Amino acid sequence: NAGVTQTPKFQVLKTGQSMTLQCAQDMNHNSMYWYRQDPGMGLRLIYYSASEGTTDKGEVPNGYNVSRLNKREFSLRLESAAPSQTSVYFCASHFSTETQYFGPGTRLLVL
Amino acid sequence: QKEVEQNSGPLSVPEGAIASLNCTYSDRVSQSFFWYRQYSGKSPELIMSIYSNGDKEDGRFTAQLNKASQYVSLLIRDSQPSDSATYLCAALTGGGNKLTFGTGTQLKVEL
Repeated sequence: NAGVTQTPKFQVLKTGQSMTLQCAQDMNHNSMYWYRQDPGMGLRLIYYSASEGTTDKGEVPNGYNVSRLNKREFSLRLESAAPSQTSVYFCASHFSTETQYFGPGTRLLVL
Repeated sequence: QKEVEQNSGPLSVPEGAIASLNCTYSDRVSQSFFWYRQYSGKSPELIMSIYSNGDKEDGRFTAQLNKASQYVSLLIRDSQPSDSATYLCAALTGGGNKLTFGTGTQLKVEL
């Protein structure tokens, strides 16, 4: 039982490049989330998926797209990376009113 | 007004003392509340959840919830240097689909 996994762990991009952050969970959770964390800003919700086939915007969705590929996988795509998207990205999942479980994070640097 | 608010700290306490961390929330409908601990460079990990008014104890940790005042707190007794971390308060909002985080309080336990 790996919990929540994320790939890659670290990525450097140039401005304008695109990339996809991958997330998978093996806990059969319905809901999955993408957050970004910046110093002094706490965890900010980018997008979430309450169930397979649905996605909703969070607090800071601009510049991102998501895909809930199946119940296990939820990916985050940056179509044209900007330096403002330099951050640590966390994926999380939960079931019903239980707490969320977090992946190890992806550190993204956009030059 | 942010949905979940915390003092950013740092809060410094001597080893062996009680650390008191506070959090307020704005969504009166919120029913579930969580405290996460986050070490530098790591992902958040759950340490306490609380759903009912009153106190909930787990080892050295006590969570307190006052729904009338929309206030959640975390007490850490016999604080240890290993408790030095950022503590994130979170509330389940949006009808139970979103976990909204405060910006976190940095705790430093000094020898």
